Amino acid sequence: AQTVTQSQPEMSVQEAETVTLSCTYDTSENNYYLFWYKQPPSRQMILVIRQEAYKQQNATENRFSVNFQKAAKSFSLKISDSQLGDTAMYFCAFTSGGNEKLTFGTGTRLTIIP
Amino acid sequence: EPEVTQTPSHQVTQMGQEVILRCVPISNHLYFYWYRQILGQKVEFLVSFYNNEISEKSEIFDDQFSVERPDGSNFTLKIRSTKLEDSAMYFCASTHASAAFYYTFGSGTRLTVV
Repeated sequence: AQTVTQSQPEMSVQEAETVTLSCTYDTSENNYYLFWYKQPPSRQMILVIRQEAYKQQNATENRFSVNFQKAAKSFSLKISDSQLGDTAMYFCAFTSGGNEKLTFGTGTRLTIIP
Repeated sequence: EPEVTQTPSHQVTQMGQEVILRCVPISNHLYFYWYRQILGQKVEFLVSFYNNEISEKSEIFDDQFSVERPDGSNFTLKIRSTKLEDSAMYFCASTHASAAFYYTFGSGTRLTVV
């Protein structure tokens, strides 16, 4: 069974700084998909970024980028120029694809300090 | 952008009562899911549904739960006899057959059992 581990329950950073959230996972699959979801106080699940394991290039979406290390089974999220609106819970998630379920980590609560 | 729609946004029910949570997946999506998030905890998979039958279910999805696609648009989760521990946020999600990793989540239904 796949597992996803987020070892940082809480983080805080000053506005405009850069922050990195950690995620590791365990799987025997060779091809799979990884995600970061943002959950603001409204509790909606908002996709931040996705990465396909067969792609070596790290995914980027504006201020959000990932550091995907397949051999180390690591998938960290970097938020540059952090904004107050980035304050939220962030979940790392994994799927082996083929319309399989998502497996989530326990989340990191990120607070951006003005 | 197409959305997954969930109703109601918040439901309060008496313990022992039946509840039905409703979801309208994106129209050309074929795979449907329910996830649960107890307050302050991680998001957990409940069940996946394809071609009018359950394709996978978790240990949480016991006999008190059922899912149905009664028509061409709705996807429902029924809890037969609610317990206090069923209080949680319930998320519906859907994916397209040819883009399995493009999960789309609804905004969730907050269920409170009193």
